[in-house]
Order: sequence, then structure tokens, then C-alpha cells
Amino acid sequence: AQSVTQLDSHVSVSEGTPVLLRCNYSSSYSPSLFWYVQHPNKGLQLLLKYTSAATLVKGINGFEAEFKKSETSFHLTKPSAHMSDAAEYFCSGRNTDKLIFGTGTRLQVFP
Amino acid sequence: GAGVSQSPRYKVAKRGQDVALRCDPISGHVSLFWYQQALGQGPEFLTYFQNEAQLDKSGLPSDRFFAERPEGSVSTLKIQRTQQEDSAVYLCASTRAGGSSYEQYFGPGTRLTVT
Repeated sequence: AQSVTQLDSHVSVSEGTPVLLRCNYSSSYSPSLFWYVQHPNKGLQLLLKYTSAATLVKGINGFEAEFKKSETSFHLTKPSAHMSDAAEYFCSGRNTDKLIFGTGTRLQVFP
Repeated sequence: GAGVSQSPRYKVAKRGQDVALRCDPISGHVSLFWYQQALGQGPEFLTYFQNEAQLDKSGLPSDRFFAERPEGSVSTLKIQRTQQEDSAVYLCASTRAGGSSYEQYFGPGTRLTVT
């Protein structure tokens, strides 16, 4: 079975600086991995997904993630944070038909 | 087009009451998922339907939890004799077809508070 671990519960950055949200996975086979964002009182929105087509995955709102098999990582990055990026971010992996989520990383963006 | 909708958005129940939470998936979506998200945690899988068939209910925490999707569209998650530990946000998601290679579209959730 697949599991995901988000290494940071909170990340704080200044507006305009890079964002790095870390996720490690464990899987005995080629995984399907996703990043979702959740704004307060809103549903989860898919940012991007990895399904083995390319190791560098580009998503919406300038986010991207790189799948590194040697490090079992799928970290989410953005070159320049915007105030509107402040939210909860979840890394998830597929286990048969259901998604397994990490515990989330709360991103704060300071002006 | 309309996304996944859930109702009610907020529900307060006294311990021991029964509750019913509704999910309207995107029209034509074949698969429907229920997740439970406790405060400060990631969503956890509860159950999964493909059309009207409940293919996986391994995540339902007890026999007080019951889900149905009788006509393969709207789904209801019912919790009997609610307990305080049932307090959580209940999320519904749907996908265009079977299998999770398709993106899951999430509703806004129902926040259940058991007092």
C-alpha cells in the first residue's frame, strides 16, 4: 500500500520569495501522486498530478513538482509566492481507487 | 458547469442523534467518494461507489456509518447515534469514470459538530 508523508506542518514565506512544500512517498510500485490545495471553507482543488509521463510536472497557478524516485520525493515548488497562495496543501497518493492524503502543510505568506 | 455540491454545509447534532449528509456529484460522473477530514488532519477515505455499486467501504469507522447511491447519482452518508468523535468535515468527490487516474473533483464539504 502507498503512503505519503508531508515533512512540514507549517511553512512561512514572504511574498515574492520561493515556496517549497515537501512530500515523501512510500510505494512498492510506480506511484500516482497529487498535490491539492484547500482554501478556508472550500473544497480541495487539484494543483497537479504525476502519473509517470514526466518527472517534472507543471500545475496551475505557477506551481510545479518534481518526482524523484531515488529520493522517494514529490516536493511542490513555486518560484515566487503570492498572498493568494496562503492555504493548506495536501500531498496524496493513489491506493487502488482511493486517495491517501498526507497530514497537510499550512502555507503562510507575509507581505 | 456546476461542481460537486454538498448539503448541508454545516450541521450541529446532539450526541445520539442520526444525521444524513447529501452529495450531488458532477452530472454524468460515474464514481463517487466520501472522505472524513478531522480538524488539522488530511482527508481519510470512507467509501467509494461506481454508479450505484458500493465497491469499497473499508474506511467506514463503524457500523453506525452507512452510505448509499441508489440511482448512481446523488449519494447520502448517514451516521446513526452520532458520537463526539464523529465531529469532522465530510468531503465528497466525483470522477468522470471509474479508476483513480481520473481527477477527483471535491465538494466544499459538510462540517459536522456533535455536541
